[in-house]
Amino acid sequence: AQKITQTQPGMFVQEKEAVTLDCTYDTSDPSYGLFWYKQPSSGEMIFLIYQGSYDQQNATEGRYSLNFQKARKSANLVISASQLGDSAMYFCAMREGQDYGGSQGNLIFGKGTKLSVKP
Amino acid sequence: DGGITQSPKYLFRKEGQNVTLSCEQNLNHDAMYWYRQDPGQGLRLIYYSQIVNDFQKGDIAEGYSVSREKKESFPLTVTSAQKNPTAFYLCASSTDRRRDNEQFFGPGTRLTVL
Repeated sequence: AQKITQTQPGMFVQEKEAVTLDCTYDTSDPSYGLFWYKQPSSGEMIFLIYQGSYDQQNATEGRYSLNFQKARKSANLVISASQLGDSAMYFCAMREGQDYGGSQGNLIFGKGTKLSVKP
Repeated sequence: DGGITQSPKYLFRKEGQNVTLSCEQNLNHDAMYWYRQDPGQGLRLIYYSQIVNDFQKGDIAEGYSVSREKKESFPLTVTSAQKNPTAFYLCASSTDRRRDNEQFFGPGTRLTVL
């Protein structure tokens, strides 16, 4: 079974509107971290936002916020006020394991969602 | 500026030849990683290193080899044993392997085997 599922291969959004990119994950480890990365056409992966499994509040970073629904194992990325420069591939990723001492898993990536922002 | 450099950006090789991809970081990070990305796919881990002179296989290590002789360098060799080496290769680093430490990525190397 896939650990990270991104069900939207591609999405369109009008400039200045908000968009939600879906991500569901599968783990039995109570301790894990969730990441979102942006990959523009140049290829470099850019870190956007992080959510820890024990974090009480949803993470926010500027125009990015993470809608974390732990019971549903969902970690959707919300981009507010879309800009043309937001057009890119977006990847959700998960790392299982403890912060210190315990074994730490590797980063597992979903297949990504291609976001296109229309002017 | 601190960051990760990968060279070259594009690389062409004939089938059966070994090729080494460079990855250098000046972020003073302990952990370094190599990923492979195929079209329409996410990243898959090839090898990682938590500290100098130590490295571990990832999910798809067959046909690849690495070394970590210096903290700032983590070269990847794609050997002739790799059945389908044409792909986009990304190198990354992080301060350590703590759960919440983000990985910083280089610009990638696109390898084409003819």
